[in-house]
Amino acid sequence: DTAVSQTPKYLVTQMGNDKSIKCEQNLGHDTMYWYKQDSKKFLKIMFSYNNKELIINETVPNRFSPKSPDKAHLNLHINSLELGDSAVYFCASSQRDTSGYTFGSGTRLTVV
Amino acid sequence: GENVEQHPSTLSVQEGDSAVIKCTYSDSASNYFPWYKQELGKRPQLIIDIRSNVGEKKDQRIAVTLNKTAKHFSLHITETQPEDSAVYFCPNTGNQFYFGTGTSLTVIP
Repeated sequence: DTAVSQTPKYLVTQMGNDKSIKCEQNLGHDTMYWYKQDSKKFLKIMFSYNNKELIINETVPNRFSPKSPDKAHLNLHINSLELGDSAVYFCASSQRDTSGYTFGSGTRLTVV
Repeated sequence: GENVEQHPSTLSVQEGDSAVIKCTYSDSASNYFPWYKQELGKRPQLIIDIRSNVGEKKDQRIAVTLNKTAKHFSLHITETQPEDSAVYFCPNTGNQFYFGTGTSLTVIP
């Protein structure tokens, strides 16, 4: 019944590893997003994606890559994890030409 | 881009008092103004929004007002309660929503 679901909720991993976070939405929205929230609560856009275009925030390292198998899914793959990647990652979706975003519950990533 | 300024960054009020958070934007083409609330450890959630053809919108104890001439919009919370304590965001809207750090509101019982 959850509108935007992310897995896992918590992820603890070592530096240098590669990991993925999955996101699915059942709202029929046409656009999905990934946000990163740091310890100071700064919520920063990383990517937005619909079936026509991928918009990448230029400050995001290329170790981060979104992968969308279909319109309802946008997964986040991270290569060579670094300590500074520790944060909460939120997936969100929207219907581009209408209103606001619906967020997932977040994935707390800790790199040790 | 990131052209919305939000003030204050932190706000403490006594329970029962009102709280006002203001956002100033620069893009005259902006036509959608949402407010999000993020409680500790939870996801941001849309609580109220307004479009540029409306000057004010209310939903129980919260309201948003828009001043297009001055290019600012504000969130008003009346009769604040401890559960109103959260971080509030007024993202810059466009192709992507830019959220920033928001306003941390603490309601003191």
